[in-house]
Amino acid sequence: GQSLEQPSEVTAVEGAIVQINCTYQTSGFYGLSWYQQHDGGAPTFLSYNGLDGLEETGRFSSFLSRSDSYGYLLLQELQMKDSASYFCAVRDPANQKVTFGTGTKLQVIP
Amino acid sequence: NAGVMQNPRHLVRRRGQEARLRCSPMKGHSHVYWYRQLPEEGLKFMVYLQKENIIDESGMPKERFSAEFPKEGPSILRIQQVVRGDSAAYFCASSPIEAEGAFFGQGTRLTVV
Repeated sequence: GQSLEQPSEVTAVEGAIVQINCTYQTSGFYGLSWYQQHDGGAPTFLSYNGLDGLEETGRFSSFLSRSDSYGYLLLQELQMKDSASYFCAVRDPANQKVTFGTGTKLQVIP
Repeated sequence: NAGVMQNPRHLVRRRGQEARLRCSPMKGHSHVYWYRQLPEEGLKFMVYLQKENIIDESGMPKERFSAEFPKEGPSILRIQQVVRGDSAAYFCASSPIEAEGAFFGQGTRLTVV
């Protein structure tokens, strides 16, 4: 089976940098994905790490360490609109099932 | 290429009625996932389907819930004899085979009164 753990809440100041961690235990593993969900909205795909290391997309970066079963999402130059829930997710290569982490609610304060 | 389409966006049912939630995946996507989300909580996996096949339904309650993804038409999540505890947002996602990410519909918010 798959299980992914994230901190439940994080608060950060506008303009700052925040890191959201994800640790996972999986029976199979393609890579780690990250999704953003605003209150009342649908999750939207943010990034994917298939290999170890850092992937950068604008203000957002995502990191993966397969040996540590660990990844993180890094948000830079925080904006108020970044206040949302962030979920990590893995896909089981055996059956393509996508399992989501517990989610981290990020609150950006002025 | 339209995104994942779910309807209805909001659904109100009385206890004991049936709820039918529909999901049309993105064109070319053969994998459909259904998730349930309670307020302030995460996405709980319910079922994963490919055309005409249920691949994994380990997250589906054994009774009253069923899902299908027919050869033609949308995927349907069906909840029979709804109870208040079924009130939640139900999200559908689709992806092509072996894709990096999944694309979500806007969800159906079911309220049981």
